[in-house]
Amino acid sequence: DGGITQSPKYLFRKEGQNVTLSCEQNLNHDAMYWYRQDPGQGLRLIYYSQIVNDFQKGDIAEGYSVSREKKESFPLTVTSAQKNPTAFYLCASSMAIGELFFGEGSRLTVL
Amino acid sequence: DAKTTQPTSMDCAEGRAANLPCNHSTISGNEYVYWYRQIHSQGPQYIIHGLKNNETNEMASLIITEDRKSSTLILPHATLRDTAVYYCIVRVGEYGNKLVFGAGTILRVKS
Repeated sequence: DGGITQSPKYLFRKEGQNVTLSCEQNLNHDAMYWYRQDPGQGLRLIYYSQIVNDFQKGDIAEGYSVSREKKESFPLTVTSAQKNPTAFYLCASSMAIGELFFGEGSRLTVL
Repeated sequence: DAKTTQPTSMDCAEGRAANLPCNHSTISGNEYVYWYRQIHSQGPQYIIHGLKNNETNEMASLIITEDRKSSTLILPHATLRDTAVYYCIVRVGEYGNKLVFGAGTILRVKS
């Protein structure tokens, strides 16, 4: 079945460690996105990519990095520079104009 | 970028229509209105979108005012499973891909 797969679903990290969240889609979508959600809050855009080898910063890109080497993959690295990384991370994809398809999310906890 | 304003929360009786309002007074002529919903700890789910005409699908109806400054999402027969956070979004960005999520409306359907 077509869809978006995020992994891992739950992740624990020690302070000062980098961690990479995986996002893979088999929908042949051009655009992919990463959002962050804190408890009781809406989604905030971290990074987005409209084509391979190109991506743009969203509203809260500091402390995060991404790559888009393949159309189907858009991994997000949470670096040690992100001061408050504990959150729910959501990946999405879409065609140029149309609905966003979201993954099930990855919950990151910093110990 | 166009922004949206939604009520923080609403209650609806099971079986009755749920009418969720959204204000987007700064919307541009080529920007679409999208509605998504998010059930707790899951990825948001697309509901419906429109430009200026009213739209209907199997999930809901979208009524957009003639001046496009506001819209209403209608769930015709709300069920307990419709309890979720509902996001009204105007699609922004150079290529129309970036979606900005606000805090949304918490809809509580009660029996």
